Amino acid sequence: DIQMTQSPSTLSASVGDRVTITCRASQSISSWLAWYQQKPGKAPKVLIYAASTLESGVPSRFSGSGSGTEFTLTISSLQPEDIATYYCQQCTNYLCSFGQGTKLEIK
Amino acid sequence: EVQLVESGGGLENPGGSLRLSCAASGFTFSGYAMSWVRQAPGKGLEWVSGISASGGATHHADSVKGRFTISRDNSKNTLYLQMNSLRAEDTAVYYCAKDRHGSYFENWGQGTLVTVSS
Repeated sequence: DIQMTQSPSTLSASVGDRVTITCRASQSISSWLAWYQQKPGKAPKVLIYAASTLESGVPSRFSGSGSGTEFTLTISSLQPEDIATYYCQQCTNYLCSFGQGTKLEIK
Repeated sequence: EVQLVESGGGLENPGGSLRLSCAASGFTFSGYAMSWVRQAPGKGLEWVSGISASGGATHHADSVKGRFTISRDNSKNTLYLQMNSLRAEDTAVYYCAKDRHGSYFENWGQGTLVTVSS
């Protein structure tokens, strides 16, 4: 099974900062990676799929990059409403896995 | 508008069984693979089970293999998760999710809480 590792686990940043979260896969997953945002008490919401494709309706300050085993999610200018936990996720051979999550806090 | 509404959660004793349901609307249910994803209290997301659009292929995480069974009834637009031999570590909010391209989860339900405790 493919393991997904995110870093950091917690990130504290100020409004307006550029924020980057990293996700590493234990083996190559090509570009089959998605990013989700989850706010407390709510279901996750997809932000990015296929590593870099922005889901419809998601603000353009969110972007994704990477391929193979290393991926990043970037928020170009952090907004107060971006406070949430972020997860990466992959599916290979019909088996899926998530990263452990990155909790984003306002400094 | 896509809607996924889970039901069937509750309190169950260790070793017991529960069946979760997910009623789907707003899309052609029979055209999409579906999955169950869970989240233990204060923890991260864990993919549990997936099923193809026709129901002919199913897959389960090692943590539930042999205990949980995913199924669907395309005539009723409903996804199911039969959970047997429940353990305390199965306590979680269970979400159903609409699969896209076999690679990510495009839509999610609101979740149903399963608590396994004596």
